[in-house]
Amino acid sequence: QKEVEQNSGPLSVPEGAIASLNCTYSDRGSQSFFWYRQYSGKSPELIMSIYSNGDKEDGRFTAQLNKASQYVSLLIRDSQPSDSATYLCAVRSNTGKLIFGQGTTLQVKP
Amino acid sequence: GAVVSQHPSRVICKSGTSVKIECRSLDFQATTMFWYRQFPKKSLMLMATSNEGSKATYEQGVEKDKFLINHASLTLSTLTVTSAHPEDSSFYICSTWDYRTDTQYFGPGTRLTVL
Repeated sequence: QKEVEQNSGPLSVPEGAIASLNCTYSDRGSQSFFWYRQYSGKSPELIMSIYSNGDKEDGRFTAQLNKASQYVSLLIRDSQPSDSATYLCAVRSNTGKLIFGQGTTLQVKP
Repeated sequence: GAVVSQHPSRVICKSGTSVKIECRSLDFQATTMFWYRQFPKKSLMLMATSNEGSKATYEQGVEKDKFLINHASLTLSTLTVTSAHPEDSSFYICSTWDYRTDTQYFGPGTRLTVL
Protein backbone atom coordinates (compact mmCIF):
# COMPACT_ATOMS: atom_id res chain seq x y z
CA GLN A 1 0.00 0.00 0.00
CA LYS A 2 1.32 3.41 -0.94
CA GLU A 3 1.73 5.86 1.90
CA VAL A 4 -0.29 8.58 0.14
CA GLU A 5 -2.69 7.75 -2.66
CA GLN A 6 -4.50 9.91 -5.15
CA ASN A 7 -6.43 9.28 -8.31
CA SER A 8 -4.07 10.36 -11.08
CA GLY A 9 -6.90 11.56 -13.30
CA PRO A 10 -7.10 13.52 -15.45
CA LEU A 11 -10.06 15.17 -13.82
CA SER A 12 -11.86 17.38 -16.28
CA VAL A 13 -14.39 20.00 -15.18
CA PRO A 14 -16.02 22.91 -17.00
CA GLU A 15 -15.14 26.46 -16.08
CA GLY A 16 -17.14 27.63 -13.06
CA ALA A 17 -17.74 24.14 -11.71
CA ILE A 18 -16.49 22.62 -8.46
CA ALA A 19 -13.45 20.37 -8.72
CA SER A 20 -13.11 17.71 -6.05
CA LEU A 21 -9.75 16.11 -5.38
CA ASN A 22 -9.28 13.21 -3.00
CA CYS A 23 -6.42 11.64 -1.10
CA THR A 24 -5.97 8.79 1.37
CA TYR A 25 -3.00 8.06 3.58
CA SER A 26 -1.80 5.01 5.43
CA ASP A 27 0.02 6.36 8.50
CA ARG A 28 -2.65 6.84 11.14
CA GLY A 29 -0.19 8.82 13.27
CA SER A 30 0.17 11.60 10.68
CA GLN A 31 -0.73 15.04 11.95
CA SER A 32 0.02 17.45 9.08
CA PHE A 33 -1.64 17.45 5.69
CA PHE A 34 -0.99 19.64 2.70
CA TRP A 35 -2.24 20.36 -0.79
CA TYR A 36 0.22 21.62 -3.38
CA ARG A 37 -0.24 22.74 -6.95
CA GLN A 38 2.42 22.01 -9.51
CA TYR A 39 2.76 23.31 -13.03
CA SER A 40 4.84 21.40 -15.54
CA GLY A 41 8.55 21.93 -15.00
CA LYS A 42 8.06 23.89 -11.79
CA SER A 43 8.32 23.18 -8.10
CA PRO A 44 5.18 22.61 -6.05
CA GLU A 45 3.38 25.61 -4.56
CA LEU A 46 1.53 25.31 -1.26
CA ILE A 47 -2.22 25.83 -1.51
CA MET A 48 -3.35 24.85 1.96
CA SER A 49 -2.37 23.02 5.07
CA ILE A 50 -4.80 21.35 7.45
CA TYR A 51 -4.24 19.80 10.84
CA SER A 52 -7.66 19.26 12.43
CA ASN A 53 -10.67 17.25 11.40
CA GLY A 54 -13.26 19.21 9.48
CA ASP A 55 -13.14 21.89 6.84
CA LYS A 56 -10.72 24.73 6.26
CA GLU A 57 -11.57 27.40 3.73
CA ASP A 58 -9.29 29.84 1.94
CA GLY A 59 -10.88 31.77 -0.86
CA ARG A 60 -12.09 29.35 -3.53
CA PHE A 61 -10.32 26.44 -1.86
CA THR A 62 -11.65 24.22 0.89
CA ALA A 63 -9.62 21.42 2.44
CA GLN A 64 -11.35 18.66 4.33
CA LEU A 65 -9.74 16.23 6.75
CA ASN A 66 -11.14 13.06 8.27
CA LYS A 67 -8.49 11.35 10.37
CA ALA A 68 -10.73 8.42 11.28
CA SER A 69 -11.10 7.58 7.60
CA GLN A 70 -7.53 8.70 6.80
CA TYR A 71 -8.89 10.90 4.08
CA VAL A 72 -8.08 14.39 2.86
CA SER A 73 -9.83 16.28 0.10
CA LEU A 74 -9.60 19.60 -1.70
CA LEU A 75 -12.53 21.41 -3.25
CA ILE A 76 -11.98 24.16 -5.78
CA ARG A 77 -15.04 26.32 -6.32
CA ASP A 78 -15.65 28.37 -9.46
CA SER A 79 -12.85 26.54 -11.27
CA GLN A 80 -10.88 28.62 -13.73
CA PRO A 81 -8.74 27.50 -16.70
CA SER A 82 -5.74 28.85 -14.76
CA ASP A 83 -6.43 26.21 -12.11
CA SER A 84 -5.42 23.54 -14.62
CA ALA A 85 -2.40 21.89 -13.05
CA THR A 86 -1.35 18.83 -11.10
CA TYR A 87 -2.51 18.81 -7.49
CA LEU A 88 -0.37 16.98 -4.99
CA CYS A 89 -1.53 15.75 -1.63
CA ALA A 90 1.26 15.53 0.95
CA VAL A 91 1.42 14.12 4.45
CA ARG A 92 4.09 14.74 7.03
CA SER A 93 5.15 11.66 8.90
CA ASN A 94 6.08 11.68 12.56
CA THR A 95 9.73 11.60 11.46
CA GLY A 96 9.30 14.95 9.71
CA LYS A 97 9.39 13.60 6.17
CA LEU A 98 6.88 15.07 3.73
CA ILE A 99 5.48 12.31 1.55
CA PHE A 100 3.62 13.10 -1.65
CA GLY A 101 0.87 11.31 -3.46
CA GLN A 102 1.18 10.70 -7.17
CA GLY A 103 -0.85 13.79 -7.98
CA THR A 104 -4.13 14.43 -9.77
CA THR A 105 -4.12 16.29 -13.06
CA LEU A 106 -6.94 18.81 -13.25
CA GLN A 107 -8.16 20.21 -16.55
CA VAL A 108 -10.60 23.11 -16.44
CA LYS A 109 -12.22 23.60 -19.81
CA PRO A 110 -13.41 27.07 -20.86
CA GLY B 1 8.84 33.04 3.57
CA ALA B 2 12.23 31.49 3.09
CA VAL B 3 13.83 31.49 -0.32
CA VAL B 4 15.60 28.42 -1.60
CA SER B 5 17.80 28.51 -4.65
CA GLN B 6 19.25 25.69 -6.69
CA HIS B 7 22.14 25.69 -9.10
CA PRO B 8 22.29 24.80 -11.88
CA SER B 9 18.72 24.98 -13.11
CA ARG B 10 19.54 22.71 -16.02
CA VAL B 11 22.47 20.44 -16.72
CA ILE B 12 23.28 18.08 -19.54
CA CYS B 13 26.10 15.63 -19.05
CA LYS B 14 27.58 12.55 -20.61
CA SER B 15 27.00 9.11 -19.19
CA GLY B 16 29.60 8.21 -16.59
CA THR B 17 30.31 11.72 -15.39
CA SER B 18 29.39 13.21 -12.02
CA VAL B 19 27.12 16.17 -11.49
CA LYS B 20 26.84 18.36 -8.40
CA ILE B 21 23.65 20.24 -7.58
CA GLU B 22 23.71 23.00 -4.99
CA CYS B 23 20.81 23.97 -2.80
CA ARG B 24 21.01 27.19 -0.83
CA SER B 25 18.69 28.52 1.83
CA LEU B 26 19.03 32.27 1.34
CA ASP B 27 17.38 33.71 4.43
CA PHE B 28 16.73 30.77 6.71
CA GLN B 29 19.08 28.55 8.64
CA ALA B 30 18.05 25.12 7.48
CA THR B 31 18.98 22.38 9.88
CA THR B 32 16.97 19.93 7.81
CA MET B 33 16.89 19.68 4.03
CA PHE B 34 15.13 17.16 1.85
CA TRP B 35 16.05 16.02 -1.65
CA TYR B 36 13.34 14.85 -4.00
CA ARG B 37 13.41 13.39 -7.50
CA GLN B 38 10.59 13.63 -9.98
CA PHE B 39 10.32 11.66 -13.22
CA PRO B 40 8.03 12.92 -16.00
CA LYS B 41 4.36 12.72 -15.08
CA LYS B 42 5.24 11.17 -11.73
CA SER B 43 5.13 12.53 -8.23
CA LEU B 44 7.94 13.81 -6.07
CA MET B 45 9.81 10.92 -4.53
CA LEU B 46 11.81 11.61 -1.40
CA MET B 47 15.40 10.53 -1.88
CA ALA B 48 17.00 11.55 1.38
CA THR B 49 16.85 13.74 4.43
CA SER B 50 19.94 15.65 5.44
CA ASN B 51 20.61 17.28 8.76
CA GLU B 52 23.36 19.87 9.07
CA GLY B 53 26.58 18.35 10.25
CA SER B 54 25.49 14.74 10.08
CA LYS B 55 25.11 11.98 7.53
CA ALA B 56 22.05 11.98 5.32
CA THR B 57 19.30 9.43 5.80
CA TYR B 58 18.40 7.78 2.52
CA GLU B 59 15.04 6.33 1.56
CA GLN B 60 14.75 2.69 0.72
CA GLY B 61 15.99 1.96 -2.77
CA VAL B 62 18.15 5.09 -3.08
CA GLU B 63 21.84 4.28 -3.45
CA LYS B 64 23.79 6.38 -1.00
CA ASP B 65 27.06 5.77 -2.83
CA LYS B 66 25.55 7.06 -6.06
CA PHE B 67 23.71 10.06 -4.66
CA LEU B 68 26.13 11.79 -2.32
CA ILE B 69 24.59 14.39 -0.08
CA ASN B 70 26.55 16.91 1.92
CA HIS B 71 24.98 19.38 4.34
CA ALA B 72 28.00 21.09 5.76
CA SER B 73 26.37 24.37 6.70
CA LEU B 74 22.96 25.72 7.64
CA THR B 75 22.59 27.38 4.25
CA LEU B 76 24.04 24.88 1.81
CA SER B 77 23.36 21.30 0.88
CA THR B 78 24.74 19.56 -2.19
CA LEU B 79 23.64 16.48 -4.09
CA THR B 80 26.24 14.81 -6.28
CA VAL B 81 25.06 12.25 -8.80
CA THR B 82 28.09 10.05 -9.36
CA SER B 83 28.66 8.10 -12.56
CA ALA B 84 25.42 9.36 -13.98
CA HIS B 85 23.46 7.24 -16.43
CA PRO B 86 20.50 8.08 -18.66
CA GLU B 87 18.09 6.56 -16.13
CA ASP B 88 19.23 9.24 -13.65
CA SER B 89 17.75 11.90 -15.92
CA SER B 90 15.13 13.57 -13.79
CA PHE B 91 13.98 16.75 -12.05
CA TYR B 92 15.76 17.12 -8.72
CA ILE B 93 14.21 19.40 -6.10
CA CYS B 94 15.58 20.37 -2.73
CA SER B 95 13.50 21.61 0.15
CA THR B 96 14.05 23.12 3.54
CA TRP B 97 11.79 22.67 6.53
CA ASP B 98 11.05 25.19 9.23
CA TYR B 99 9.78 22.84 11.89
CA ARG B 100 8.70 25.77 14.09
CA THR B 101 5.98 26.75 11.63
CA ASP B 102 5.79 23.39 9.83
CA THR B 103 6.49 25.19 6.59
CA GLN B 104 8.38 23.56 3.78
CA TYR B 105 10.14 25.68 1.18
CA PHE B 106 11.05 24.25 -2.21
CA GLY B 107 13.84 25.18 -4.53
CA PRO B 108 13.05 25.77 -8.21
CA GLY B 109 14.49 22.41 -9.20
CA THR B 110 17.32 21.18 -11.39
CA ARG B 111 16.64 19.39 -14.65
CA LEU B 112 19.31 16.75 -15.21
CA THR B 113 19.69 15.13 -18.61
CA VAL B 114 22.25 12.37 -19.00
CA LEU B 115 23.15 11.51 -22.57
